[in-house]
Amino acid sequence: GAGVSQSPSNKVTEKGKDVELRCDPISGHTALYWYRQRLGQGLEFLIYFQGNSAPDKSGLPSDRFSAERTGESVSTLTIQRTQQEDSAVYLCASSLIRGGNTEAFFGQGTRLTVV
Amino acid sequence: LAKTTQPISMDSYEGQEVNITCSHNNIATNDYITWYQQFPSQGPRFIIQGYKTKVTNEVASLFIPADRKSSTLSLPRVSLSDTAVYYCLVAQKGSGAGSYQLTFGKGTKLSVIP
Repeated sequence: GAGVSQSPSNKVTEKGKDVELRCDPISGHTALYWYRQRLGQGLEFLIYFQGNSAPDKSGLPSDRFSAERTGESVSTLTIQRTQQEDSAVYLCASSLIRGGNTEAFFGQGTRLTVV
Repeated sequence: LAKTTQPISMDSYEGQEVNITCSHNNIATNDYITWYQQFPSQGPRFIIQGYKTKVTNEVASLFIPADRKSSTLSLPRVSLSDTAVYYCLVAQKGSGAGSYQLTFGKGTKLSVIP
């Protein structure tokens, strides 16, 4: 596709349920980022897949959060036993890994509401 | 991680030049300075990046002094459509070859007034 695609665009779930958020990066982009953005706040780093290197998971807020990436394509962010404080927009971005390139392309995000 | 500090908000009239300064005192040798723009209900969009001195593109200019401990994003002749949040990032070299970790701060909310 032409850009980063995220699905679903909106998700309402009950507290305690598990959710899966999907990200389709731009073809050929080997770096993939996940961020969380609460209403009126900045972007909070969650996890970063960097080609064949080990992912940087340092931003995951708890063990309820996990993410996987299949090769250099689709990534899934999973939140188990959702809590109300998980309500936010989850943004995915991808970029080419090459020296000196810091341009990442973002999707429109998934708005998660936990009720 | 390199921490960035920038003003929380700024106001400007249409047609004026806007300069947003960001401090990043503990920037490392291999780090790049990058700016993103975010409109409401959208993901951030890359504006410009630089390593030192001055970089200019069709949207903005980025000024970086020799010590690289700060940078200034300059938007010429802003219009109402430039109202957005502007994020200054220090892109840190990741463990993978050619990869960069992008850590966003709180950003500067720019309001352009008619």
